[in-house]
Amino acid sequence: EPEVTQTPSHQVTQMGQEVILRCVPISNHLYFYWYRQILGQKVEFLVSFYNNEISEKSEIFDDQFSVERPDGSNFTLKIRSTKLEDSAMYFCASSEGIATNEKLFFGSGTQLSVL
Amino acid sequence: AQTVTQSQPEMSVQEAETVTLSCTYDTSESDYYLFWYKQPPSRQMILVIRQEAYKQQNATENRFSVNFQKAAKSFSLKISDSQLGDAAMYFCAYRSAHGSARQLTFGSGTQLTVLP
Repeated sequence: EPEVTQTPSHQVTQMGQEVILRCVPISNHLYFYWYRQILGQKVEFLVSFYNNEISEKSEIFDDQFSVERPDGSNFTLKIRSTKLEDSAMYFCASSEGIATNEKLFFGSGTQLSVL
Repeated sequence: AQTVTQSQPEMSVQEAETVTLSCTYDTSESDYYLFWYKQPPSRQMILVIRQEAYKQQNATENRFSVNFQKAAKSFSLKISDSQLGDAAMYFCAYRSAHGSARQLTFGSGTQLTVLP
């Protein structure tokens, strides 16, 4: 089965630094997503992306966050100035986009630790 | 806003037995989709089963089935003939069927232990 690939698996950064989390969605998928899971808490939606623009975003996704599909294969999440509370597992997902009940394929996540 | 509640933080089951995980949700919408996702120790989220709210018939996928009670806003997952590989965190999730809304709203999860 095709997979969503995320790199790195674990990233450590200093508070205030910029980080970029990378994802390679499944090649024929049209919708891309970022979710995060703070340790011991619910998985939370951050943003969805379609046709080279954001289609939905949550309250968490403030001006410190941005997403980009720079080259037609990668999908990135940038956090401009990390805070301690940004420490979480970040999941990328993609879907074909044919119908709203279509299956989301999740990556294995990037564990971000902000020190 | 929709909310999803999983009232069982932890459950355990003997191998080969059946276990039911509970999920309730709150919504004012009539059309939506419900999902169960499995998160093993590898942390990757894997879709187990999904249910369209307009369908009265409960979804089944091999050993996994749901009991969908729309009026009660309940969506439980039954795992039959439990296997050691079923041990994982299970998340219930909701998605609206309206417009372009695609975000999933997750519950807090149920950690399932399978005892040999």
